[in-house]
Amino acid sequence: QKEVEQDPGPLSVPEGAIVSLNCTYSNSAFQYFMWYRQYSRKGPELLMYTYSSGNKEDGRFTAQVDKSSKYISLFIRDSQPSDSATYLCAMGRNEKLTFGTGTRLTIIP
Amino acid sequence: ETGVTQSPTHLIKTRGQQVTLRCSSQSGHNTVSWYQQALGQGPQFIFQYYREEENGRGNFPPRFSGLQFPNYSSELNVNALELDDSALYLCASSLGLEQETQYFGPGTRLLVL
Repeated sequence: QKEVEQDPGPLSVPEGAIVSLNCTYSNSAFQYFMWYRQYSRKGPELLMYTYSSGNKEDGRFTAQVDKSSKYISLFIRDSQPSDSATYLCAMGRNEKLTFGTGTRLTIIP
Repeated sequence: ETGVTQSPTHLIKTRGQQVTLRCSSQSGHNTVSWYQQALGQGPQFIFQYYREEENGRGNFPPRFSGLQFPNYSSELNVNALELDDSALYLCASSLGLEQETQYFGPGTRLLVL
């Protein structure tokens, strides 16, 4: 079993829809949780960082962490075609980050 | 403020050869981490350098080695290349050990034939 599980998709939604992306994990020692966005042929770009259970909001993005269920989510409101990318969840303990496989998202105009 | 840069952008090698990849960290950052991203997969942590010392390593064999220089730039060396080493190699720099300040470079795409 992988430490971090993420549905690779692909996921296609119409413009303006709410997108929900999810990851589960098995290692309860993870200390912090992150979401990255990666466009084709680019490096990952940090979207959200949190280290506690609960919700964290930044503009159209909301990150949710449930440590008791070992489950994290990223919600994108009012999705735009420019949100089309691969979204990677990542979890860390000390210096080591463990990534999910990424979910490829396409927003259809 | 300059971002993280990596060189070369693309590289083709043959099995058994050695390769050196380079990374310049973002201005003010003193920590560099290296990741391997195979096609269709998430990045995998190779190792991290903090103030010129290795600060942690993932599950990669010793033929993957690294170096960090006094200006905090870094090199990743891979010896005895194997076909499975074909991947995008990403470098990320951060301020100290604060992962939330980590910024990735565009990567070096390595193809081993």
